[in-house]
Amino acid sequence: DAKTTQPPSMDCAEGRAANLPCNHSTISGNEYVYWYRQIHSQGPQYIIHGLKNNETNEMASLIITEDRKSSTLILPHATLRDTAVYYCIVRVAGGNQGGKLIFGQGTELSVKP
Amino acid sequence: GAVVSQHPSRVICKSGTSVKIECRSLDFQATTMFWYRQFPKQSLMLMATSNEGSKATYEQGVEKDKFLINHASLTLSTLTVTSAHPEDSSFYICSAQTYTGELFFGEGSRLTVL
Repeated sequence: DAKTTQPPSMDCAEGRAANLPCNHSTISGNEYVYWYRQIHSQGPQYIIHGLKNNETNEMASLIITEDRKSSTLILPHATLRDTAVYYCIVRVAGGNQGGKLIFGQGTELSVKP
Repeated sequence: GAVVSQHPSRVICKSGTSVKIECRSLDFQATTMFWYRQFPKQSLMLMATSNEGSKATYEQGVEKDKFLINHASLTLSTLTVTSAHPEDSSFYICSAQTYTGELFFGEGSRLTVL
């Protein structure tokens, strides 16, 4: 079973920041938080991942709480093309022993003009 | 980023026939590949983990004789849906893992069984 819970849907205005929350209260010390998104009828796309420090890349920022029980994915300036289902997943990572990804239900983000 | 290719992207077959779906890592070697199935409006469900040169590990409830997985090389894994029926119609997605643990997904294969 997935170890994360996310709101089923969210709306965001185009150009505004989209903040997607995720709860992972049973996360283990060796598990990372991963975010993927899936645009309709395509394979999931990697966004970002982190262990305990906040992370930023060209797509998004990931804020992880100090107790690591929750996190927030931030899309700083959402566009219509960011409309997708966003999945937050916890996973053991590192080397070729990286764990499998178990998907929860995700958050369906709708970016509106 | 790394590229994972699936073929075919769409396939329609008659009930009772078998269908093979290929998953290739185009620019890296993948010791482990994963196969998922996704029904409309639902999330991805992990079916099995495929390791190069060994038998696949299936998730609970997935019939190994129904969904044959072969991982014959470090760049290719195949999923064969045997004796397909309409309820097997679904979106099948693979992912491939690099030596450093990164995971990349294919674009998926949509199977329709008539």
